[in-house]
Amino acid sequence: GAVVSQHPSWVICKSGTSVKIECRSLDFQATTMFWYRQFPKQSLMLMATSNEGSKATYEQGVEKDKFLINHASLTLSTLTVTSAHPEDSSFYICSATRTSGSYEQYFGPGTRLTVT
Amino acid sequence: AQTVTQSQPEMSVQEAETVTLSCTYDTSENNYYLFWYKQPPSRQMILVIRQEAYKQQNATENRFSVNFQKAAKSFSLKISDSQLGDTAMYFCAFMIYGSARQLTFGSGTQLTVLP
Repeated sequence: GAVVSQHPSWVICKSGTSVKIECRSLDFQATTMFWYRQFPKQSLMLMATSNEGSKATYEQGVEKDKFLINHASLTLSTLTVTSAHPEDSSFYICSATRTSGSYEQYFGPGTRLTVT
Repeated sequence: AQTVTQSQPEMSVQEAETVTLSCTYDTSENNYYLFWYKQPPSRQMILVIRQEAYKQQNATENRFSVNFQKAAKSFSLKISDSQLGDTAMYFCAFMIYGSARQLTFGSGTQLTVLP
């Protein structure tokens, strides 16, 4: 159990357009989901923490108007990159924690975003 | 704020040998969790092993074991009988007990297992 999926796995978009990435917990309910950004050969950088039914908490330096996060249900969180630019190209990873019980974060497989 | 330091950007080991990856952390908290994650070329994050700070006994998972030194704030990972499939980036991570469950990651160690 504890499977997290992300869709799409890879997306290419043109500069100025918006792109939405979905993160789903497939077999458990997730009160909290996390969004990370990872550049090649670097560590994971936490962008925001998303709690079901409330506004996301963004880390310092992350533009909340650019990276819109919605956590509308206990199994789905979305990250929308608005007016994307080439510098937004990166690998985005989500993770989720169970509503109760284990404190562990379960990670999705990641989404590679390329902005041309 | 918590910090996690991995001082070895790259390491290599011969297949079947043993290797130890280092991790130190800094925190004023007394109750926390420590983790080692593996990220293979597929980039899927995989939990290797975890340790609760209140437990004195070092965690083990098959070929993986940790040396947890709470006073020294050190949390090293030992991989025994290294296999080619162990080739990956390894991240040490920290989580405060009872917190928002946020993870603080180290910078990672790229481990290559040589045939």
